[in-house]
Amino acid sequence: AQTVTQSQPEMSVQEAETVTLSCTYDTSESDYYLFWYKQPPSRQMILVIRQEAYKQQNATENRFSVNFQKAAKSFSLKISDSQLGDAAMYFCAYRSADTGNQFYFGTGTSLTVIP
Amino acid sequence: KAGVTQTPRYLIKTRGQQVTLSCSPISGHRSVSWYQQTPGQGLQFLFEYFSETQRNKGNFPGRFSGRQFSNSRSEMNVSTLELGDSALYLCASSLAHGTDNSPLHFGNGTRLTVT
Repeated sequence: AQTVTQSQPEMSVQEAETVTLSCTYDTSESDYYLFWYKQPPSRQMILVIRQEAYKQQNATENRFSVNFQKAAKSFSLKISDSQLGDAAMYFCAYRSADTGNQFYFGTGTSLTVIP
Repeated sequence: KAGVTQTPRYLIKTRGQQVTLSCSPISGHRSVSWYQQTPGQGLQFLFEYFSETQRNKGNFPGRFSGRQFSNSRSEMNVSTLELGDSALYLCASSLAHGTDNSPLHFGNGTRLTVT
């Protein structure tokens, strides 16, 4: 089974600053998808951003961008101009292109935004 | 468009009992997946249903079962409850069965407490 590792259990950032959350994964597959999800205290998981492994260009969604390094099996999330509403648990997730909708999640990084 | 709806939000059961959780996916979504979230194990995949058929199954005992109806609504059943089954159970729907970069859309979860 694929494994997803988030080595930072907790991170903090000053409001309006930039923070990068790390994620690495282990796979022997060449075709897959990567996702970042956010889980605020309301507990609903919300999609932040996604990346297809076959795309070299890094995905961006407004203040959120990723640094996808396929050879290094690394998929970090950068949050620019951090806002109080960004405070949440962030999960990195992997999904194979061949095995349906079985997602593998990391253990999460708890992000605190300091006003 | 209404999101993924899970009922009930909270459940308290006694060891040995059984429980049924319900999930209504986003309209038009035919894939429904279930995940168990605990502080110790994180998010773990239980199973996925697509077009009323179980397509993938995680590494959980047979006490965990599910089904999907013709309207794509899904139920998850846990029999002979154990203390370790206490968790947040998340349902997620998706447009396709993992054939593209479609993300999972999560509900708010059902918090199950077994005493």
